[in-house]
Amino acid sequence: NAGVMQNPRHLVRRRGQEARLRCSPMKGHSHVYWYRQLPEEGLKFMVYLQKENIIDESGMPKERFSAEFPKEGPSILRIQQVVRGDSAAYFCASSPRQGGGEQYFGPGTRLTVT
Amino acid sequence: DQQVKQNSPSLSVQEGRISILNCDYTNSMFDYFLWYKKYPAEGPTFLISISSIKDKNEDGRFTVFLNKSAKHLSLHIVPSQPGDSAVYFCAASESGSARQLTFGSGTQLTVLP
Repeated sequence: NAGVMQNPRHLVRRRGQEARLRCSPMKGHSHVYWYRQLPEEGLKFMVYLQKENIIDESGMPKERFSAEFPKEGPSILRIQQVVRGDSAAYFCASSPRQGGGEQYFGPGTRLTVT
Repeated sequence: DQQVKQNSPSLSVQEGRISILNCDYTNSMFDYFLWYKKYPAEGPTFLISISSIKDKNEDGRFTVFLNKSAKHLSLHIVPSQPGDSAVYFCAASESGSARQLTFGSGTQLTVLP
């Protein structure tokens, strides 16, 4: 499967716990984007990363959220001390180059905070 | 502040007929537009895109039209098939930025057999 991979597909956390969401881009893609979709809404941009660099994090909440894309391994979106409002679908997308137009999305991680 | 708007939350069309999905935008800096299709519990799937230097782009049954003066684009699907039933998202980006996509809220298309 050469598509964007995300895991886990479903994640349940209690309030105050940490959530780690992983994304492996398509082969040959070095640009990763994270989006969040709240119920009944469109996807909202969170952060754009290249290997070892955060390029644009203008959509990230100021606290509790962080993202990385290390030289080796998947990109990780980390949410500390989760709250009920963090419950959403989190999608990762990749593209082969900056400004390359279309982005290709993974299946998403559905986070439920109880 | 919604920069990309899809004012019709739902649309029903008979199989074989044309489906027309509409999208309006307010940010005049947007110069690249995309349509995605999304099934429940899956990620969005890229369908077709158009650059602002064009006013039409075709790919098989899918055609996207762009009217820059009206800040309006539309997706035409003809003929519509039951498998086209999904949520369709319009998205836009601007060059010179990180190419983050700004999405509309989606239109649920139902194609009736």
